[in-house]
Amino acid sequence: NAGVTQTPKFRVLKTGQSMTLLCAQDMNHEYMYWYRQDPGMGLRLIHYSVGEGTTAKGEVPDGYNVSRLKKQNFLLGLESAAPSQTSVYFCASTNRVNEQYFGPGTRLTVT
Amino acid sequence: EDQVTQSPEALRLQEGESSSLNCSYTVSGLRGLFWYRQDPGKGPEFLFTLYSAGEEKEKERLKATLTKKESFLHITAPKPEDSATYLCAVRSYVIQGAQKLVFGQGTRLTINP
Repeated sequence: NAGVTQTPKFRVLKTGQSMTLLCAQDMNHEYMYWYRQDPGMGLRLIHYSVGEGTTAKGEVPDGYNVSRLKKQNFLLGLESAAPSQTSVYFCASTNRVNEQYFGPGTRLTVT
Repeated sequence: EDQVTQSPEALRLQEGESSSLNCSYTVSGLRGLFWYRQDPGKGPEFLFTLYSAGEEKEKERLKATLTKKESFLHITAPKPEDSATYLCAVRSYVIQGAQKLVFGQGTRLTINP
């Protein structure tokens, strides 16, 4: 039981490049979330999903897209990376009303 | 707007020196307050959930308490391995079962041997 895993762990992009971050969970959780964590800002919700095939915007969705084609996977895409998207990205999952379980994070630098 | 403020930002203690971390919140209808521990380079790790004023939860050297306006994380006789950033979050609303959590900025705790 690996819990929540994220790939890659680190990535450096140039402005304008695109990439996809992958989150996978093996706990059969319905709900999945993408956050970003910046110094002094705390964790902020980007997008979330209430089940396979569904996604919704969170607090800071601009510049990001997501997809949930399979229940266990939640993908976060950056179509045209900007320096302001330099951050640490965390994926989390949960069942209905319980605590969220977080992945180990992806550290992204956009130059 | 829902807000969570944690204090202090950083705290240094000697091993065995007990103290408390504060989490003040404003939310339109509290549906749960969460404490997480985060080690450098890792994701947050769940510690406690509190739902109503007066509730307390304990785990090893940690005890979390809740009032109507704030929560405290009490650390008794801490050890160096308790060093981490402690995050507080409130669940402000639920949409189709999905939770909207508002996080504080965290308290970075260092325990010196």
